[in-house]
Parts: sequence; structure tokens; C-alpha cells
Amino acid sequence: EVQLVESGGVLVQPGRSMKLSCAASGFTFSSFPMAWVRQAPTKGLEWVATISTSGGSTYYRDSVKGRFTISRDNAKSTLYLQMDSLRSEDTATYYCTTGGSSDWGQGVMVTVSS
Amino acid sequence: DIVMTQAPLSVSVTPGESASISCRSSKSLLHSNGITYVYWYLQKPGKSPQLLIYRMSNLASGVPDRFSGSGSETDFTLKISRVEAEDVGIYYCGQLLENPYTFGAGTKLELK
Repeated sequence: EVQLVESGGVLVQPGRSMKLSCAASGFTFSSFPMAWVRQAPTKGLEWVATISTSGGSTYYRDSVKGRFTISRDNAKSTLYLQMDSLRSEDTATYYCTTGGSSDWGQGVMVTVSS
Repeated sequence: DIVMTQAPLSVSVTPGESASISCRSSKSLLHSNGITYVYWYLQKPGKSPQLLIYRMSNLASGVPDRFSGSGSETDFTLKISRVEAEDVGIYYCGQLLENPYTFGAGTKLELK
């Protein structure tokens, strides 16, 4: 059974940093592109970042480019999202998902507020 | 960015009847490889999204065959036959053809 378990979410002040993790199991992690998708409270889904199987290729939506960094450790079957210079508009539930969106984690809440 | 427009924003259905949700993309989602990269998801209340349909018409693993997807290059439909109580939630279409991947605003399905 595929499992994606996010962790790291918390309340953080604007301008500070936070790192999310997503532990994967039940599939060959290194064979799949991975992504982060977020959902602001009561809002729809928003694709944040994607990473290739090797980690050599990444993509970010414009609003997080230069502030967020997606990475992966295939040896540990773990996906990461380093979030710097956080803004209030980054407040959302962040989901880890396989690149083809077939599997999703339970989500982790990130609140950016003073 | 490719804009995905869903209609209606909400639908109320009697259990056992069918429902259809439309989605239109601002650009063709047909790749040169012949695959149309439109996906459908259901987000049940308080839960993570789950994949229902991938590449326009392929049923995801474990999804009842009451669900089906169809369409053209820019116009797509999700049909739910014999709606059940477990089908309540918000349905999203999404495109995975090009970055940034984008989603529709969602269609809320409720039971009458």
C-alpha cells in the first residue's frame, strides 16, 4: 500500500523559514517524479513544485520561485520542501503527491502569522 | 498558465440518479503523443484529494466504474452514474500537460 506521510507543519512568523518532509513507502520512490500541492483554507488546489526522479529537474510556480526549494533523498524515500521568506499568503495545507497525482498524503498545515 | 473552468460550481443530486460535471481548458490538453492530460479528483469532506480519472478517460485504481471521463481537446466531462452518499464532496479537474499544472475551482456535489 502506498503511503505518503507529511510532517513539519507549524505556526511560523512572516519572513521565517520552515521545512516540510514527506516520507514515502509502498512503492519504488526513486522511480517517480514527486510534487507538492497546497490548499489555502476554504480554497481550491494549487500546484506548488515538482521534482524529477533524480532530483536534477525542478519546477516552481511563480509565486514561490526563489523562496521555496523542493528536493528529495531517494535513499531515504523522502521528499522535502524548504520554504524561506514565508508570507501570510503561503498559509495552507500542503500535500505531498506523486508526480502523476495518483497518491496523496494526509497533508500538513502551515500557518504564517505574527 | 492554462486556465481550467468548471461548471457548475455546485450540484445537488438525488441518490441513484446521475450527475455530470464539465471542465473547459484555455488550451488544448492533447499532447503530440495522443494522450490528453486532463485529470479528475474528488476531495471528500476533511480528506485529501483522491484521483478518480487520469488522462481524460482512465479509471484510477479502486475507483468504482460508476465514474467515467470523456471529452475532446478542450472540453471535458466527468459523469457519475447512480450517485451514492459516499460521492459527496468537491470535484476538481486538473491539467498535467504543462507547468504550472493547474486545477479548476471545484464543483461541490451534495445530495438532495
